[in-house]
Amino acid sequence: DIQMTQSPSSLSASVGDRVTITCRASQSISTSLNWYQQKPGKAPKLLIYAASSLQSGVPSRLSGSGSGTDFTLTISSLQPEDFATYYCQQTYIIPRTFGQGTKVEIK
Amino acid sequence: QVQLQESGPGLVKPSGTLSLTCAVSGGSISSSNWWSWVRQPPGKGLEWIGKIFHSGSTDYNPSLKSRVTISVDKSKNQFSLRLSSVTAADTAVYYCARELYSSALYYFDYWGQGTLVTVSS
Repeated sequence: DIQMTQSPSSLSASVGDRVTITCRASQSISTSLNWYQQKPGKAPKLLIYAASSLQSGVPSRLSGSGSGTDFTLTISSLQPEDFATYYCQQTYIIPRTFGQGTKVEIK
Repeated sequence: QVQLQESGPGLVKPSGTLSLTCAVSGGSISSSNWWSWVRQPPGKGLEWIGKIFHSGSTDYNPSLKSRVTISVDKSKNQFSLRLSSVTAADTAVYYCARELYSSALYYFDYWGQGTLVTVSS
């Protein structure tokens, strides 16, 4: 299995801050990397697919980058609705695997 | 707008079989997409269980493969999950999701709301 490791596991930030979450794969996955946002009691929501493509309806303050083993999700100016848990996921091979999640909390 | 809705018992006895169904609306289950199950134990992360194509072709997580069966019912536009020999460790919110295939890439673009299944006597 490909192990996906996110860092940090949690962070505290203020509205307006620039936030960066990283995801590292245990082997190269090209750009088969997706990012999801999950709020308490809700299903995950697709934000970024193919490492850097913004899903329709997702604000442009979110962006993704990377290829191979190292990936980044950036929120350029954190908004109140961005406080949530974020997961990366590889769809390069079976089984699909997720990172352990990064919880973004209000400072 | 594709919608997915999970249904099934919320309580299953240890050593029993967990059975869930995901009804798909707003789109055909016979489209060129895969249909997946993902679970999330309380307070923990996401675990992919497996997926099915409308042809009946399946892929499973090796960690669960011996206990999992995913099937599809094209006439009802739905797919199902069976997980046998359950223990408390199988207590989780179970999600169904569509795995979109586009330009040689896959991603989960639509999810059900999730259903909590508790394994307890």
